[in-house]
Amino acid sequence: GDSVTQMEGPVTLSEEAFLTINCTYTATGYPSLFWYVQYPGEGLQLLLKATKADDKGSNKGFEATYRKETTSFHLEKGSVQVSDSAVYFCALSGNEKLTFGTGTRLTIIP
Amino acid sequence: DAGVIQSPRHEVTEMGQEVTLRCKPISGHNSLFWYRQTMMRGLELLIYFNNNVPIDDSGMPEDRFSAKMPNASFSTLKIQPSEPRDSAVYFCASSVGQGRDSPLHFGNGTRLTVT
Repeated sequence: GDSVTQMEGPVTLSEEAFLTINCTYTATGYPSLFWYVQYPGEGLQLLLKATKADDKGSNKGFEATYRKETTSFHLEKGSVQVSDSAVYFCALSGNEKLTFGTGTRLTIIP
Repeated sequence: DAGVIQSPRHEVTEMGQEVTLRCKPISGHNSLFWYRQTMMRGLELLIYFNNNVPIDDSGMPEDRFSAKMPNASFSTLKIQPSEPRDSAVYFCASSVGQGRDSPLHFGNGTRLTVT
């Protein structure tokens, strides 16, 4: 069945550092890929998505590129801010229901 | 757009009591999802509805859990009787379609504590 494996957390970075959170997937067919973010005390919200190979999703300075050859969808940001502290979830939607990864907690220190 | 509205935000109850969680999806969304989030198990899909009809309830832990969607603007998740292991944050989410390409919109969750 479909599955998502993402980088174990927690991740702690200094403000303005470069961020990468790894995500790989297993799916049949051609899934759509997503990154969701969860701020403290809130539900998840969509950060970005890509629906086909080589698509790049971007939002709020975050980017992720759908790499079919490596079955990956790594999340990147060039310069993180304290306000980016949250839990980040990679997810895929294929022939089955939406499947989430386990989440990566990111803490940015000033 | 008020977003997905869940109530209550916090619920503390004693083991054996009945608990009812409520959700109002975004108007015009035809799919509704109930998730449970814990530290140990992460985010688990319990059940989802499409056009008010339950499509997949394979994630419902056991017969103590039940969910209904009597109309397009309201859903409930009931636990009877509740147990301490049910303590978690329960999220409701809605979307247009079944979430494949349209994003899920989550409520802020109900934090359930069963003592």
